Amino acid sequence: DAKTTQPNSMESNEEEPVHLPCNHSTISGTDYIHWYRQLPSQGPEYVIHGLTSNVNNRMASLAIAEDRKSSTLILHRATLRDAAVYYCILGVIYNQGGKLIFGQGTELSVKP
Amino acid sequence: DGGITQSPKYLFRKEGQNVTLSCEQNLNHDAMYWYRQDPGQGLRLIYYSQIVNDFQKGDIAEGYSVSREKKESFPLTVTSAQKNPTAFYLCASSITNRGQNSPLHFGNGTRLTVT
Repeated sequence: DAKTTQPNSMESNEEEPVHLPCNHSTISGTDYIHWYRQLPSQGPEYVIHGLTSNVNNRMASLAIAEDRKSSTLILHRATLRDAAVYYCILGVIYNQGGKLIFGQGTELSVKP
Repeated sequence: DGGITQSPKYLFRKEGQNVTLSCEQNLNHDAMYWYRQDPGQGLRLIYYSQIVNDFQKGDIAEGYSVSREKKESFPLTVTSAQKNPTAFYLCASSITNRGQNSPLHFGNGTRLTVT
């Protein structure tokens, strides 16, 4: 299975941008890159996903390297509510459908 | 409000008993999934269903069973054959099972403790 590698933890200051890195050197051409975040004792929340081009939505931006072996999730202005575990995930073709392969995630803490 | 409801939030069972976890969605999504999460770990796929009356094994299906008799409902039974059943169980749905390009909507999970 294709894998992702993320730092275990990162720290940020409130109202500053945050860049969360992810390596996925074994990604295949049909794999999508997804980001989810999870608060303690809650289900993960979808943040953003993309294939090749950079993507923006109201929550974040996703920057994908030209060779697609790495990507970065960008939170433009961190708030205390952004403190969570962020998962970089590959969406892969599986049994005529697809599935998401979760890694360990990055625990983001935000300091006031 | 549309969403996924998992019940109960906490569940306690004795070893050797089967237990069924409920998952209901009112998003009109075709695909539904069950994941398991252990402390400090990512999620692992147990079972998924692309359409009513059809389901497929995921990566760790042993000791679990599911049914999909209605579009809205995808209950998971943790059987006595599951060797390490204590975990946080998460149900999710997506519009289709083009899972590599289909965002998942998750419920808030059921924490199962078996003693």
